[in-house]
Amino acid sequence: DTGVSQNPRHKITKRGQNVTFRCDPISEHNRLYWYRQTLGQGPEFLTYFQNEAQLEKSRLLSDRFSAERPKGSFSTLEIQRTEQGDSAMYLCASSLAGTGLGANYGYTFGSGTRLTVV
Amino acid sequence: GENVEQHPSTLSVQEGDSAVIKCTYSDSASNYFPWYKQELGKGPQLIIDIRSNVGEKKDQRIAVTLNKTAKHFSLHITETQPEDSAVYFCAASREYGNKLVFGAGTILRVKS
Repeated sequence: DTGVSQNPRHKITKRGQNVTFRCDPISEHNRLYWYRQTLGQGPEFLTYFQNEAQLEKSRLLSDRFSAERPKGSFSTLEIQRTEQGDSAMYLCASSLAGTGLGANYGYTFGSGTRLTVV
Repeated sequence: GENVEQHPSTLSVQEGDSAVIKCTYSDSASNYFPWYKQELGKGPQLIIDIRSNVGEKKDQRIAVTLNKTAKHFSLHITETQPEDSAVYFCAASREYGNKLVFGAGTILRVKS
């Protein structure tokens, strides 16, 4: 397993355009998270999935944002009608949810997709 | 909601010295506290974590301490090396493997 993979690594788009990012988690991980990170700040939670179910969305996730994880494997994050304020690093992470003693439930992050809206 | 404050925002130390970064959290239900290291152009990488039933954890040159009563936790790096230079983030969660609330980060510079 090569870890969490995100594509593309960089995306430059014009204001008003739609963009879509992809995340491939660690294969045995059933939880998948999207975070947004702006310069000089820590990552901020956007949404997460357990298998294919989207269990929580932050109020940061406006109606222009939609995330899917159709088969409980990879996930996509789409931003419609991009605005300059959407410029940020979008990070995906995966983890294992469960209650087994001794299991590792820590996050693994991908390298992120850096979005620049011009 | 949960809020995590992290200090200092920047820290410069001489190679071989120790570095300490401190975080406080607001949600008393938080019980999982990881620390991440982020290098330029990369995603955060977990370096150490602690759960609320433990007061201290150590892994080679890195240690984390937790004071649940005061709601603060700290990262200690001993014998710092230039490759320790990076941005460090603390985080808190109500559940191991659940969503994390991050601090704003500390830029650590180790001067050789």
